[in-house]
Amino acid sequence: AQTVTQSQPEMSVQEAETVTLSCTYDTSESNYYLFWYKQPPSRQMILVIRQEAYKQQNATENRFSVNFQKAAKSFSLKISDSQLGDTAMYFCAFSSNNNDMRFGAGTRLTVKP
Amino acid sequence: SQTIHQWPATLVQPVGSPLSLECTVEGTSNPNLYWYRQAAGRGLQLLFYSIGIGQISSEVPQNLSASRPQDRQFILSSKKLLLSDSGFYLCAWSRRANEQFFGPGTRLTVL
Repeated sequence: AQTVTQSQPEMSVQEAETVTLSCTYDTSESNYYLFWYKQPPSRQMILVIRQEAYKQQNATENRFSVNFQKAAKSFSLKISDSQLGDTAMYFCAFSSNNNDMRFGAGTRLTVKP
Repeated sequence: SQTIHQWPATLVQPVGSPLSLECTVEGTSNPNLYWYRQAAGRGLQLLFYSIGIGQISSEVPQNLSASRPQDRQFILSSKKLLLSDSGFYLCAWSRRANEQFFGPGTRLTVL
């Protein structure tokens, strides 16, 4: 069974600085997808970034980028130039071809002014 | 473009009462559909998913059930609610193993 682990329950960062959120996963499959979702206080789940396991290049979306280490089964999220609006719960998620998605327990990120 | 709706947005129900939460998707056909529950300050627990009309897979045994009477409609039900059923319920859709798109959620409080 696939599992996703986020070892940082809470983190904080000063506005305009950079923060990295950690995620590790366990799977025996070779083809899968990894995601980071953001859940602000409104509780709407918003997709931040996705990575396909067969792609070696790390995904980037504006200020958000990932460090995907397939051999280590690690998928960290880097947020550059942090903004107050980045304050949210962040969930790492794993999906393969068996039609379901597994989420980590989440990291609560607070951006301080 | 695709949109996903959930209702009601909030619900307060007494213990032992029935439950029906509805989720509908627009702008796509034959999506995979999912129901999740999120306890306060916690991660998402997958409850049910469906890859087609009438096809339901249950992840966690409990007093909840799900049905998919139409291609883009997914319903979460219970005959008798428990206190432990309180939480935030999210519906999502996806195309195979691509990213899931979530609805706005329903906050359920069982008293």
